[in-house]
Amino acid sequence: EVQLVQSEAEVKKPGESLKITCQGSGYSFTNNWIGWVRQMPGKGLEWMALIYPGDSDTRYSPSFQGQVTISADKSISTAYLQWSSLKASDTAMYYCARAERLNYFDYWGQGTLVTVSS
Amino acid sequence: SYELTQPPSVSVSPGQTARITCSGDALPKQYAYWYQQKPGQAPVVVIYKDSERPSGIPERFSGSTSGTTATLTISGVQAEDEADYHCQSPDSSGTYPVFGGGTKLNVL
Repeated sequence: EVQLVQSEAEVKKPGESLKITCQGSGYSFTNNWIGWVRQMPGKGLEWMALIYPGDSDTRYSPSFQGQVTISADKSISTAYLQWSSLKASDTAMYYCARAERLNYFDYWGQGTLVTVSS
Repeated sequence: SYELTQPPSVSVSPGQTARITCSGDALPKQYAYWYQQKPGQAPVVVIYKDSERPSGIPERFSGSTSGTTATLTISGVQAEDEADYHCQSPDSSGTYPVFGGGTKLNVL
């Protein structure tokens, strides 16, 4: 059974750094793209970034390029999304999801709520 | 940048047919995908490759595409179908995924 398990909710202050995690199991983590999707409160889904853990090839949405960093550690089947300096506007639910050949997201994590407030 | 357009909301009575549209210039070349998202839950794929239904998704969910418009049809809507529905498709070059704005299905 494919599973993606994300890290717990975070509450941070503006300017702080953060790294959230997504651990995959039940499939070949190395040979499948995995991505992050943002959902701001009451809004739709926005694709942020994708990574292919096998060779660390990455793709970023133009809207998020330079704002976040995606990475992966294939030895522990875990993908990461990182911020160096959070803003209040980063407050959102973040989902990781497996991407079937860059076409669509077939399995999703449970989501990590990030709240940024002074 | 490439955009997919959905209506903000669709309302139907139980037992009726709901149709949710998604418009995008690349849809004649790229497949459409549909996700159902209930409050407090992660999205779930209900239609992939325009019209394919994953195992476990009820037969009342179907999908079609004509020209630049993809349509998700829910026949015999049930109260449990009340949710947000998001369409998604790759951009015209297949380089990255794009989501529509989402449609809230209200079951009156």
